[in-house]
Amino acid sequence: DSGVTQTPKHLITATGQRVTLRCSPRSGDLSVYWYQQSLDQGLQFLIQYYNGEERAKGNILERFSAQQFPDLHSELNLSSLELGDSALYFCASSVFQGLGYNEQFFGPGTRLTVL
Amino acid sequence: AQTVTQSQPEMSVQEAETVTLSCTYDTSESDYYLFWYKQPPSRQMILVIRQEAYKQQNATENRFSVNFQKAAKSFSLKISDSQLGDAAMYFCAYMDGSNSGYALNFGKGTSLLVTP
Repeated sequence: DSGVTQTPKHLITATGQRVTLRCSPRSGDLSVYWYQQSLDQGLQFLIQYYNGEERAKGNILERFSAQQFPDLHSELNLSSLELGDSALYFCASSVFQGLGYNEQFFGPGTRLTVL
Repeated sequence: AQTVTQSQPEMSVQEAETVTLSCTYDTSESDYYLFWYKQPPSRQMILVIRQEAYKQQNATENRFSVNFQKAAKSFSLKISDSQLGDAAMYFCAYMDGSNSGYALNFGKGTSLLVTP
């Protein structure tokens, strides 16, 4: 158990819908990263938040957005869902960002299925 | 952008034998980190081993070791005395602090099958 929690574990929805994925980082970790794992794209970085502010963006679609709240939990919002958005979405957390390496601890992921 | 290439989609090894998984990467940075992650059928991402680019010595963690060739931009993982529990997807990953805020950049993965 990494200490990172993600809810829900599974999500099944229809095209065109909107969903919210939730991540709670390890206690003391200020940075949250979101990754998407799909058959087509592999594992790719979407976005990073540090202490409530966006710090880095990867291959995140405009239909997707995220935020980190004062209690440091993060939410990834996916809207106008398409079949291709079906994937495993991981959240990872680390202690600090900006002064070198800090290990990222991965949550168990949320499996999103778009029908 | 940095790219990570794993040229072996699948590998197979017999129990107790040794297997090497290959990874190459492309970067113009001098300060970076390289990783191997294991993803078993449970889908959990597990850090296997880490290598700092400034360190010449190859990292080792029990049965897992790496061959880091900085000039060649090569980073292979050797698994010795393979066990059934080593069967998993293995991802090579790159990280630096340049533009991506120390996010991980993954290769496509190598599926490792361990046979009795």
